[in-house]
Amino acid sequence: DTGVSQDPRHKITKRGQNVTFRCDPISEHNRLYWYRQTLGQGPEFLTYFQNEAQLEKSRLLSDRFSAERPKGSFSTLEIQRTEQGDSAMYLCASSFGRRNNYGYTFGSGTRLTVV
Amino acid sequence: AQRVTQPEKLLSVFKGAPVELKCNYSYSGSPELFWYVQYSRQRLQLLLRHISRESIKGFTADLNKGETSFHLKKPFAQEEDSAMYYCALSSGYSTLTFGKGTMLLVSP
Repeated sequence: DTGVSQDPRHKITKRGQNVTFRCDPISEHNRLYWYRQTLGQGPEFLTYFQNEAQLEKSRLLSDRFSAERPKGSFSTLEIQRTEQGDSAMYLCASSFGRRNNYGYTFGSGTRLTVV
Repeated sequence: AQRVTQPEKLLSVFKGAPVELKCNYSYSGSPELFWYVQYSRQRLQLLLRHISRESIKGFTADLNKGETSFHLKKPFAQEEDSAMYYCALSSGYSTLTFGKGTMLLVSP
């Protein structure tokens, strides 16, 4: 297990196109999180899954965003009709258990540029 | 609502000098606090947790509930400590809320 993997590392897309990112968490981890990070900001929470159930969504997650975690394994984050404001680093993280006292393990992120 | 404030965007020190990265939080319950670090071209990684009361790479952080602070300290900074540092807060069951981060630059 090499940790949390994200694919692709970089994505450049034209405004209005749809994009999909993938995250493979650490296999023993039951929780999976998506965060977004823009320049000069810390990571901002988007959504998280416990196993296959999506338990919480941030108000940052507009209806153009959708996330899935089929079978409680990998997860995908799709952005429809991309806008320039969607340009950011999208981070995936995973953790084990019900509590957060062990913190998260992050992936390297997917950098999205909308032109 | 949970909130984390890191008042300094940049902290620049010389090698061997003491370092203190400030973190203040807003939360009405019993918080769990973390420090994350991101070295150049590397992923965000956990540095330390308040619950473990440990020292990692010479860094320590004490939770002060009276002052709602969780400052990160190191007595003698090293050049390899140069990185972006993020303070983060959780209620325990909720997701992590991060501060905006402080860039630490340690000059020789």
